[in-house]
Amino acid sequence: GAGVSQTPSNKVTEKGKYVELRCDPISGHTALYWYRQSLGQGPEFLIYFQGTGAADDSGLPNDRFFAVRPEGSVSTLKIQRTERGDSAVYLCASSLMGSGADEQFFGPGTRLTVL
Amino acid sequence: AQSVTQPDIHITVSEGASLELRCNYSYGATPYLFWYVQSPGQGLQLLLKYFSGDTLVQGIKGFEAEFKRSQSSFNLRKPSVHWSDAAEYFCAVGARGNTPLVFGKGTRLSVIA
Repeated sequence: GAGVSQTPSNKVTEKGKYVELRCDPISGHTALYWYRQSLGQGPEFLIYFQGTGAADDSGLPNDRFFAVRPEGSVSTLKIQRTERGDSAVYLCASSLMGSGADEQFFGPGTRLTVL
Repeated sequence: AQSVTQPDIHITVSEGASLELRCNYSYGATPYLFWYVQSPGQGLQLLLKYFSGDTLVQGIKGFEAEFKRSQSSFNLRKPSVHWSDAAEYFCAVGARGNTPLVFGKGTRLSVIA
């Protein structure tokens, strides 16, 4: 089956603009995660969904960042008033809802560049 | 606070030589440990994971890792490195259930002939 897909693969925008990043998880995976990976760093957690609701959004850096998953499948990460410091690779991952720590399957990421 | 430390930013090994990448974690609960590999322009791929049981776990591509609770370590090893193993390697820790992972900063592996 298909893996996690993310669109666009690259996004270049100007400071102050609004951007949306999309994630299509593996079919049937109920858990969905967003991470941000800055240059030379490991991925850092942003937000986690179980189904349609955000189970943990403690990693969102400020109120310019918002994410939705209205039907429990596709998710969109939204960034308002982008800043140069938002430039990074945004990774999405999904996993089955289980009793153990299930493997998270990662997408290829969206590279965001804010000029 | 939960954290993962990968002390080596960059390691260079000769093809055919053995490899060990270090990972130390700090976690309040029973840790679930993972090693991921990231090739340029690619997503993260799971190499192996440890939840419980045998502390020596086998993964894909000939990798293995050993969990040592007393040292809070989960080092990754491979007996003979191939040129295709050149990539970035990340150690991560999580908890039981679908919880976000905490990643280390990664170790970049270069392989020379």
